[in-house]
Amino acid sequence: GDSVTQMEGPVTLSEEAFLTINCTYTATGYPSLFWYVQYPGEGLQLLLKATKADDKGSNKGFEATYRKETTSFHLEKGSVQVSDSAVYFCAVIDYKLSFGAGTTVTVRA
Amino acid sequence: ETGVTQTPRHLVMGMTNKKSLKCEQHLGHNAMYWYKQSAKKPLELMFVYSLEERVENNSVPSRFSPECPNSSHLFLHLHTLQPEDSALYLCASSQYSGQETQYFGPGTRLLVL
Repeated sequence: GDSVTQMEGPVTLSEEAFLTINCTYTATGYPSLFWYVQYPGEGLQLLLKATKADDKGSNKGFEATYRKETTSFHLEKGSVQVSDSAVYFCAVIDYKLSFGAGTTVTVRA
Repeated sequence: ETGVTQTPRHLVMGMTNKKSLKCEQHLGHNAMYWYKQSAKKPLELMFVYSLEERVENNSVPSRFSPECPNSSHLFLHLHTLQPEDSALYLCASSQYSGQETQYFGPGTRLLVL
């Protein structure tokens, strides 16, 4: 079945630092890939997605590129803010949605 | 503002109580889902409904009973729960089941005493 492996946290950064969260997946078909974000005390929000190889998803300064050759979908942001503190989940959907374990990111002022 | 709402947002119940969680989606979707999020565990898919029919039940104990009366509403009926059932219960919806993007509600934080 599908599985997702993402970088373990927690990750602590200073404001304006560069953020990368690695994510790799295994899937039997041609999955769609997602990043979801969960702010403290809230549910999951879709951050970005990509549906085919070489697609780049982007939102709120975050980007991730669907790399089929390396089965990866790494999340990046060039300059983080305190408000980006959250848990980030990588997910893959082939016939059902599978999530990574989540990476807790804390941004300090 | 989310198109998926859940009530209540917080719930405390004893092991002998019966309660229900409610989810409503305003997105015109045809598939709805229940997930369980426990501390330090990946999200677990519990149930999937497509066009009001249950299409997946991931070996969930019978003390959890889902109900989908129409494509906009999804319930999770709870009875004789255990303390280990304490978790965040998330509802999601998508246009159809399968490869469609899922949109999540804010969740119900459940504590079983």
